Amino acid sequence: DSGVTQTPKHLITATGQRVTLRCSPRSGDLSVYWYQQSLDQGLQFLIQYYNGEERAKGNILERFSAQQFPDLHSELNLSSLELGDSALYFCASSASGLAGDVSKNIQYFGAGTRLSVL
Amino acid sequence: EDQVTQSPEALRLQEGESSSLNCSYTVSGLRGLFWYRQDPGKGPEFLFTLYSAGEEKEKERLKATLTKKESFLHITAPKPEDSATYLCAVLRGGETSGSRLTFGEGTQLTVNP
Repeated sequence: DSGVTQTPKHLITATGQRVTLRCSPRSGDLSVYWYQQSLDQGLQFLIQYYNGEERAKGNILERFSAQQFPDLHSELNLSSLELGDSALYFCASSASGLAGDVSKNIQYFGAGTRLSVL
Repeated sequence: EDQVTQSPEALRLQEGESSSLNCSYTVSGLRGLFWYRQDPGKGPEFLFTLYSAGEEKEKERLKATLTKKESFLHITAPKPEDSATYLCAVLRGGETSGSRLTFGEGTQLTVNP
């Protein structure tokens, strides 16, 4: 058990809908990361939050948004869903948010949310 | 742009047959290289972090090494329970990149009894 909690584990929805994925980081970790893993693209970085602020952004679609709350949990919102959004979505957390602090940058991953868009 | 290439894509071994997985990388200002293990349908599990060329780390049957251009994950006398996908990732420096990881596509290892 990594200590990172993701809910729900599975989500089945229809095209055009909106969903919210939730992540609780490990106790004491300030950074939260979101990754997307599909069969043909491997693990792709979406976005990072550090202590409530956006720290880094990957190729995240405009239809996707995220936030980190004062209690450090994070939510990833996916809207206007398309078939191609079907994937595993992972949340990870780490103690630090800056690459310079490498020893505190080990990312621990949750079990993921499997999203199926029908 | 950071690039991480893992080879082979898939590897099938007999129990006890040692081998190595390769991770080659191109990144500006490497701060760390990470190895993860991922079982089907589960989240990646952290194995090792390597920070500088020449560094080595070991854990049970696994040993990771790092050069300036690549990393190797050596598996000695593997067992069926070592079957998984092994992922390599790099952490680059720089204020604008935060502490994001760039992952390779992974090597799917199967160890037959």
